[in-house]
Amino acid sequence: DTEVTQTPKHLVMGMTNKKSLKCEQHMGHRAMYWYKQKAKKPPELMFVYSYEKLSINESVPSRFSPECPNSSLLNLHLHALQPEDSALYLCASSHEGRGSSTDTQYFGPGTRLTVL
Amino acid sequence: AQSVSQHNHHVILSEAASLELGCNYSYGGTVNLFWYVQYPGQHLQLLLKYFSGDPLVKGIKGFEAEFIKSKFSFNLRKPSVQWSDTAEYFCAVNANTGRRALTFGSGTRLQVQP
Repeated sequence: DTEVTQTPKHLVMGMTNKKSLKCEQHMGHRAMYWYKQKAKKPPELMFVYSYEKLSINESVPSRFSPECPNSSLLNLHLHALQPEDSALYLCASSHEGRGSSTDTQYFGPGTRLTVL
Repeated sequence: AQSVSQHNHHVILSEAASLELGCNYSYGGTVNLFWYVQYPGQHLQLLLKYFSGDPLVKGIKGFEAEFIKSKFSFNLRKPSVQWSDTAEYFCAVNANTGRRALTFGSGTRLQVQP
C-alpha cells in the first residue's frame, strides 16, 4: 500500500479564517512533506518533517504552520491567508534512513485551496 | 544548489508515435533522479526512479529513462504513446546530500491525439 490520504479535497476560506489541512499515511514512513503547487507549475517544497521533527522550512510565511502530531499524521494550519496562497497543497511521505536521502516520495491527491 | 530543466514545455503527439522528454539537472555530486506523472485531476504518481546501477531504468506503463552522467541528463522515453498518456510529466532530482527534498523541473505537458 503506497497511499497517502489528504483531507479535505477542496477548501474555500476567507482571509480571516483559520483552517487546517490533514495528511495521513500508514506505510511506516518517518519523513513527511508539504508542497505547494500553483496552476501549471511544478510542486515547490514548503516543509519537511523527519521523525516528527521539523527539519526543513523553506522560508514559508508564518501564516502557514505545520504540525506533526505522530508518525502517521501531518497537519498544515492556515491563518490569515492571502488570495495568492490559493493553490494545490500536496503532502508526501518517504522512508527515512538516518543519513540517507535515497528514498522515494509518495504523494497524496492534494487539497485544492481557494482563498477569497 | 541543484536545479532541473525540462526544455519541452508542451508536446503534441499522435497515438503510436514515439516519445522522448528531455531532463537536465545541474549538480556536481551524486543524485537520485525521478520522473513523476500527473494525469488530469489526479495526484502525482511515480513513473520511475534512478539511484544507482544500470543507467537504463524501466518504469510503469512502458516508460523508460536513461541516465547519462556525462550529459547530466535523464530523458524519459516511450516507444509508442497512447491517448491515456496525456498528462503532465515532471522530472525531479534529489541530491544525495542528506537533504530530503525534491527539486522539480517545470514540467512537460504531453497531449496525445487519437
